[in-house]
Amino acid sequence: DTGVSQDPRHKITKRGQNVTFRCDPISEHNRLYWYRQTLGQGPEFLTYFQNEAQLEKSRLLSDRFSAERPKGSFSTLEIQRTEQGDSAMYLCASSRKAGDEQYFGPGTRLTVT
Amino acid sequence: GEDVEQSLFLSVREGDSSVINCTYTDSSSTYLYWYKQEPGAGLQLLTYIFSNMDMKQDQRLTVLLNKKDKHLSLRIADTQTGDSAIYFCASAVGYNKLIFGAGTRLAVHP
Repeated sequence: DTGVSQDPRHKITKRGQNVTFRCDPISEHNRLYWYRQTLGQGPEFLTYFQNEAQLEKSRLLSDRFSAERPKGSFSTLEIQRTEQGDSAMYLCASSRKAGDEQYFGPGTRLTVT
Repeated sequence: GEDVEQSLFLSVREGDSSVINCTYTDSSSTYLYWYKQEPGAGLQLLTYIFSNMDMKQDQRLTVLLNKKDKHLSLRIADTQTGDSAIYFCASAVGYNKLIFGAGTRLAVHP
């Protein structure tokens, strides 16, 4: 299996702009997760999908954040009207099914200036 | 709520064993994981243990779980400079999201 891939790896944007990140899970993995990691901290859960259904969203996911997984394959995470506090590493993970180990991608580092 | 705590820093001499400790609060944790993160990289899954097990060994890695005390440890035998990284403990809440600690930075010196 190829691993989880994320695009772009780095994104610099100005405050107020919209950004979109993409995650491609490992083939045939039904579960896809998004986490956010700030400097010096562990990853924090944002949301997850079972196939195309978004089953849980964290309180961290404000109205400016939206995630999709059309057709149950790749996923996108969009942040509207970015703020400096959104600067972080956004990590995607996938697992074959519920309860299986989660494999992480390399992350997208977002810097909001 | 759920919480996972780890000591922040560990320094060991090359060739010695490293022991990284973790405590968690959620008694319904199903699995507990150890991940490794090198600078600028994503998380690499090292090993995991099911909550009804006491110990798991995988080559140089040994995981010990004390469920009564909600204490997890990772022992790395014969620690090498390539083991220098940040190690995260994570608790699986149900069969869904992971709750991570803040990470333990392991420094290996000659």
